[in-house]
Amino acid sequence: DIQMTQSPSSLSASVGDRVTITCRASQSIGTYLNWYQQKPGKAPKLLIYTTSGLQSGVPSRFSGSGSGTDFTLTISSLQPEDFATYFCQQSYSTPLTFGGGTKVEIK
Amino acid sequence: EVQLVESGGGLVQPGRSLRLSCTASGFTFGDYAMSWFRQAPGKGLEWVGFIRIKTSGGTSEYAASVKGRFTISTDDSKSIVYLQMNSLKTEDTALYYCARGRISTSAKTFDPWGQGTLVTVSS
Repeated sequence: DIQMTQSPSSLSASVGDRVTITCRASQSIGTYLNWYQQKPGKAPKLLIYTTSGLQSGVPSRFSGSGSGTDFTLTISSLQPEDFATYFCQQSYSTPLTFGGGTKVEIK
Repeated sequence: EVQLVESGGGLVQPGRSLRLSCTASGFTFGDYAMSWFRQAPGKGLEWVGFIRIKTSGGTSEYAASVKGRFTISTDDSKSIVYLQMNSLKTEDTALYYCARGRISTSAKTFDPWGQGTLVTVSS
C-alpha cells in the first residue's frame, strides 16, 4: 500500500497569510494526487485533482504542485472560510489512501 | 444539482450485518463510478471500496480491512448504491460516506460526497 504523509499535522495562521501544506508518498505516484477540504461536521470537498487541477467552483487562491513523491497545497491568501482540515489522497492505485490531515486553525 | 443521501446507519452488535444505501440524484447514475469511504470519530479518512460503471465491467474493489465482509452493489434503475456490511467489528464504527466519481471516466477521484451515515458497532 502507498503511505501518504502530510505535514504539518496542524498550523495556526492569520487571515491573509500564505499557507503551504505538504504531502509525501511512500513511492512515486506521478501526478495522481488529490486534495480535499473538510470542515467540522461536513463531508470532504474536493479542491484539487491530479496535483494541480482546480475543481469547479473552488477559489483560485488554492493551488497544487508537485510530482513523484512530493506535493504541496498552497493557499495564497487565507480567508476565514478556509479554516478547516485538509487531506491529500493518492489516486495512483488501490487501495486509495489518504494523508493524516492538516488542521488549519486561526492564529 | 448533484445530491447523494446516505441512510441505513445505526447501532449494531458485533458479528451482525447492516446495509447502507446512498440515493443519488441530479446526474445519470449509471455513467459514474461510486465509492464508499469512512471516518472513525475524530480520525482521518479511509477508503472502503468502489464500484465501476457497467461499461467498465461493473467490478468492485475493496480495502483489505473490509474485503470478504463488505459488498458494494448498485440498482441503476433506482440510482442507489449499497454497502452490505457483514460480520461487523467494533473497529467498523465510523461515519460512512458515499461519493461519486469526479467525472464519468474517473474511478479513483471522488466528488461530491454525501453527508454521511453513522454506524456504531457495539454490544
